[in-house]
Amino acid sequence: EAQVTQNPRYLITVTGKKLTVTCSQNMNHEYMSWYRQDPGLGLRQIYYSMNVEVTDKGDVPEGYKVSRKEKRNFPLILESPSPNQTSLYFCASRLSLAGQYEQYFGPGTRLTVT
Amino acid sequence: RKEVEQDPGPFNVPEGATVAFNCTYSNSASQSFFWYRQDCRKEPKLLMSVYSSGNEDGRFTAQLNRASQYISLLIRDSKLSDSATYLCVVSSRWGYQKVTFGTGTKLQVIP
Repeated sequence: EAQVTQNPRYLITVTGKKLTVTCSQNMNHEYMSWYRQDPGLGLRQIYYSMNVEVTDKGDVPEGYKVSRKEKRNFPLILESPSPNQTSLYFCASRLSLAGQYEQYFGPGTRLTVT
Repeated sequence: RKEVEQDPGPFNVPEGATVAFNCTYSNSASQSFFWYRQDCRKEPKLLMSVYSSGNEDGRFTAQLNRASQYISLLIRDSKLSDSATYLCVVSSRWGYQKVTFGTGTKLQVIP
């Protein structure tokens, strides 16, 4: 089954404790991205990757890091989480950079930083 | 002005009703348009792409008006299962990664 998986699905942590949210897709997609979704603000892109070892900032990259060492995986790293990073996070992939392709989303990770 | 704007709703409609949502976009160079559906606390999923000539998928019809820079989604014979948030999505141009999501319009279909 074609899918995007994320782990963990729920996470409560404390300010400053480094965490990683994993993302994996099994569709051999070149393009992957991370979004956060907050009430009234919609989905905002954090980082994206056009292919292995190629990443770039989205609209709200501050406080986040990513890496793309393998095509299928695109982890999101919060080196020192803060309460304003409490949000619902989605990983997404699509076939390529071109914007006309459907995006497939992971099930989401609900993060609370206290 | 936001790149993509939607009325947040909620739209509360009875079963069987016809409901329409509009979405406006600001970038005249936009090339690809979509409607995604998002159930509460779940991931967005593609409902349908929107083509210049308009397109239909069962009870759902999508239209694009480039001159006025808006897209629309019409749902006929609303079902309880249509209750969700509908996201308007716009891609700026071919070959460019920027995909912008609207904040969504919430639909609640009432028995």
